Amino acid sequence: GAGVSQSPRYKVAKRGQDVALRCDPISGHVSLFWYQQALGQGPEFLTYFQNEAQLDKSGLPSDRFFAERPEGSVSTLKIQRTQQEDSAVYLCASSSSRTGCNSPLHFGNGTRLTVT
Amino acid sequence: RKEVEQDPGPFNVPEGATVAFNCTYSNSASQSFFWYRQDCRKEPKLLMSVYSSGNEDGRFTAQLNRASQYISLLIRDSKLSDSATYLCVVRSGGYQKVTFGTGTKLQVIP
Repeated sequence: GAGVSQSPRYKVAKRGQDVALRCDPISGHVSLFWYQQALGQGPEFLTYFQNEAQLDKSGLPSDRFFAERPEGSVSTLKIQRTQQEDSAVYLCASSSSRTGCNSPLHFGNGTRLTVT
Repeated sequence: RKEVEQDPGPFNVPEGATVAFNCTYSNSASQSFFWYRQDCRKEPKLLMSVYSSGNEDGRFTAQLNRASQYISLLIRDSKLSDSATYLCVVRSGGYQKVTFGTGTKLQVIP
């Protein structure tokens, strides 16, 4: 398939552990977004990459969250010293648009993180 | 005030009914608009883009009112399979930052 791929699909971490979530965007897509979705809520913006540049990280909830996209394709969202409030679904989305309009996001299946 | 606001619902409607959702946005410079559908425990999927002139896709009609800063989604002849959460999405800013509403839950009842 040519869609956005995320792994792992599910992750259970003990409080205090570090986790790394991976996103493979659609090939050639310039823009990549990470979202955090708590139960019953809409996705909340975390960070945005244009190619390898992280242009906006204003949504990262704390300095325990770190994202990278070193070669402008695959991205990793890392959460250090996980806390229970980090439990959520983490969605990755990519878009072919850099600044053009009417370019929707294509989402991965998400990674469901549960911190115990 | 949130950038994108929706009535969370739930909207419980009988099969065959017509139902409409609105979504308001605060950034007047917003440039593009979408409706996404999200099924329980699944990722959001694009339902339709929203164009200035309004657009229709089968039983679904989307409209944009820039003056009042809202978009709407109308679903005609509701089916059981339409039961889902409908997310309003707005893109704005130089790099087209994407902001979601909290979603409106629709339950179509037999």
